[in-house]
Amino acid sequence: RKEVEQDPGPFNVPEGATVAFNCTYSNSASQSFFWYRQDCRKEPKLLMSVYSSGNEDGRFTAQLNRASQYISLLIRDSKLSDSATYLCVVNTLMGGSYIPTFGRGTSLIVHP
Amino acid sequence: DVKVTQSSRYLVKRTGEKVFLECVQDMDHENMFWYRQDPGLGLRLIYFSYDVKMKEKGDIPEGYSVSREKKERFSLILESASTNQTSMYLCASRTLTAGVESPLHFGNGTRLTVT
Repeated sequence: RKEVEQDPGPFNVPEGATVAFNCTYSNSASQSFFWYRQDCRKEPKLLMSVYSSGNEDGRFTAQLNRASQYISLLIRDSKLSDSATYLCVVNTLMGGSYIPTFGRGTSLIVHP
Repeated sequence: DVKVTQSSRYLVKRTGEKVFLECVQDMDHENMFWYRQDPGLGLRLIYFSYDVKMKEKGDIPEGYSVSREKKERFSLILESASTNQTSMYLCASRTLTAGVESPLHFGNGTRLTVT
């Protein structure tokens, strides 16, 4: 079983829609959680860190549920430029250090 | 802003060649990582390094080795390239602040084709 799981999508939504992605992780000792955005044939770039209390950055809201071991990303008022792959990253304990483990990504397509 | 530089954007090599992928970061980061990314498989960790001269195997180290002689440079070596090593290779670095890891900063990737 993969340690970090995401629905690959694609999520196909119209401009202005609200869309939510979930990501589950298997290691309860995980700490530090992130969402990255990756455009086609480019490197991943940090979208936002995910804090225990939840956090918001403009149209983006991230939540962490430690009890159920998942994180979520909500995008409000989707723009065409939000079309990308969204990667969930969990720092997983490996040999005494926390190592970034990636989900396979969720593809978002925003259409006019 | 953190800059992570990978020496080549595109590389074409022949089966059996020894291949060096270089990565340099300019922010004195302790930790450095090499991932490969393949369609449908996501990013998989090959090797990582906690600090200079240190290295640890990731999930898929077979066929690869690494070198970290200086803090800013982390090299990935394909001892004898094979066609199944055709992939996008991504280098990343991060620092530690009060024992807490920062997010990863990525280089712009090397797309390697082995023929």
